[in-house]
Amino acid sequence: DAGVIQSPRHEVTEMGQEVTLRCKPISGHDYLFWYRQTMMRGLELLIYFNNNVPIDDSGMPEDRFSAKMPNASFSTLKIQPSEPRDSAVYFCASSPHFPGQGYTFGSGTRLTVV
Amino acid sequence: DAKTTQPPSMDCAEGRAANLPCNHSTISGNEYVYWYRQIHSQGPQYIIHGLKNNETNEMASLIITEDRKSSTLILPHATLRDTAVYYCIVITGANSKLTFGKGITLSVRP
Repeated sequence: DAGVIQSPRHEVTEMGQEVTLRCKPISGHDYLFWYRQTMMRGLELLIYFNNNVPIDDSGMPEDRFSAKMPNASFSTLKIQPSEPRDSAVYFCASSPHFPGQGYTFGSGTRLTVV
Repeated sequence: DAKTTQPPSMDCAEGRAANLPCNHSTISGNEYVYWYRQIHSQGPQYIIHGLKNNETNEMASLIITEDRKSSTLILPHATLRDTAVYYCIVITGANSKLTFGKGITLSVRP
């Protein structure tokens, strides 16, 4: 099992550009979560999906952020347009249950917006 | 979900047991105690969870007091690789989101 796979590992972009972060959950996991981590705010849940359907997006900071899960093996988090305050590490996690035996997190994408 | 309180940091010597405390005095009967850890630059890692009974797995033991108002995560023989931030989280069994607080930073010294 390769675990939760996120790409890219690092992304540097200019303010105003569109950024797309990608996640491949563990096969068979019905739940997928997107988190953001900063020094100031810690780990924040942005949105989660169950069986590819968004269930709770109350943590999405604003309309510039959007997330999709077109199928059970792929999800994206898009920021358009990006701003310097979006700089953070973005983690994707998946789980077979909710909350079950625990979430498996990916290695994260470190986003820097300059 | 009940709130948890953890000291900001602690340390222990390599090879000794690390006992990480967590207070959750407002926990209700259907809420579980979960522990995760985050090693520097990595994603959080699930360690263990419990409801009322003590639990043990290959990573750690979880001791929950009889009144369930506090718990202790025990790493029996801490190694340098156990240096991390440890999060104690209380959630109900269904439709609850995993919300991370500040956690406790454990430093294992040689």
